[in-house]
Parts: sequence; C-alpha cells; structure tokens
Amino acid sequence: GQSLEQPSEVTAVEGAIVQINCTYQTSGFYGLSWYQQHDGGAPTFLSYNALDGLEETGRFSSFLSRSDSYGYLLLQELQMKDSASYFCAVRASTNTDKLIFGTGTRLQVFP
Amino acid sequence: EPEVTQTPSHQVTQMGQEVILRCVPISNHLYFYWYRQILGQKVEFLVSFYNNEISEKSEIFDDQFSVERPDGSNFTLKIRSTKLEDSAMYFCAGSLGNEQFFGPGTRLTVL
Repeated sequence: GQSLEQPSEVTAVEGAIVQINCTYQTSGFYGLSWYQQHDGGAPTFLSYNALDGLEETGRFSSFLSRSDSYGYLLLQELQMKDSASYFCAVRASTNTDKLIFGTGTRLQVFP
Repeated sequence: EPEVTQTPSHQVTQMGQEVILRCVPISNHLYFYWYRQILGQKVEFLVSFYNNEISEKSEIFDDQFSVERPDGSNFTLKIRSTKLEDSAMYFCAGSLGNEQFFGPGTRLTVL
C-alpha cells in the first residue's frame, strides 16, 4: 500500500519555529511536495524536493532524505495567518505527476 | 494571474442522481486532475487527464465516474448515480512543472 504519515496537530506561538514531519511509503517516488490548506480553501503549493537536502523559500524550508523516506517542512517566524493544515504529497508517477497526499497536520498559531 | 475555476461552489443532490462538476483549468497546463477530500480527511487522487484521455485513475474512480474535456477549455467530472459516501469536496487541478494549481473546489452533498 501507499502511506504518508504526519502528526495530526502542532501548536506554536507567533514568532516561533515549527517543524512538520512526513514519513512516506509509496510504490513510486519522484519528489516530495508540501501544500498549505486553510479551512474551506484549496491546497496551495509551498515547496518541492526531488533531491536530498534543504530547499528554502522565504520563511518556509523543506527537507528530504530519500534513504530514510522522510521529509519535513520548517516554518520560521510564525504568523497567525500560518494557522492552516499542511500536507506532504509524493509525486508518485512521472507519467501523470499524480500526487499522493499525507494525512495532514493542523497547525495552530497562538498570539 | 490565471486561476483554476470550478462551478458550482456547492451542489446538493439526492442519492442516485447524476451530477456534473465543472472546471476551467489554466490554459497552458498539460495535465489535469480531479481530487476529492472528505471532510476532515486527506486529499485523494481520483483521475489524471492528458491529451484528451485518461492517463491514470485510482481505485475510487469506478464505473460511476467519468471525465471529459468537451470543448478544449472545460473539464468535467460526472458521477452517474451518487451515493451518500460521495459527499466530499472535489478539487480540479492542473500542473505546470512541479507545482499543481488547485481550483477552489465544489462541495458535493448527497442526501
């Protein structure tokens, strides 16, 4: 089967740093993406890692270790607007680029 | 900036009825997708569509589901005979490179 596991919920305060982990087990792997979803909204793309290492995009960074089937999203200088659900997603096919999504992590940022 | 649009935003139907969910993808995208998200759960891949035909479908996408791109711009998902368990948010998406762009979704409620 295919599975991507994430913590169900994370809480933090404004200005803090939080890390959301993702471990995956999929039949195909061509990259790991992260998407943000606010309540009632659509998933929006945050980052993508095809190779091992750290990718930085502003306050957000994403890390991948293919040998460990593991990645994480790092959010720095947290703001209230970062309260949302965060999903890791494996690009599971190069033919179709379909995404297999993780279970999702709900981040709550408190003042 | 171009966006993926979906109509209707909310569809309520009786069990056993047919529904058609509509999407207008971004024109320069090559791959198109339908995903669904049951309330509070993860996003699930349904089907991918490329060059006017299905390129991959999931186990969820059974004979009750079909997709079409009737006029080169609209992209539709049809459910022939809805079941209670089809109640979910349905997202259309298109891909350009490593990023998938999601529409705002259609909330389908089957009574």
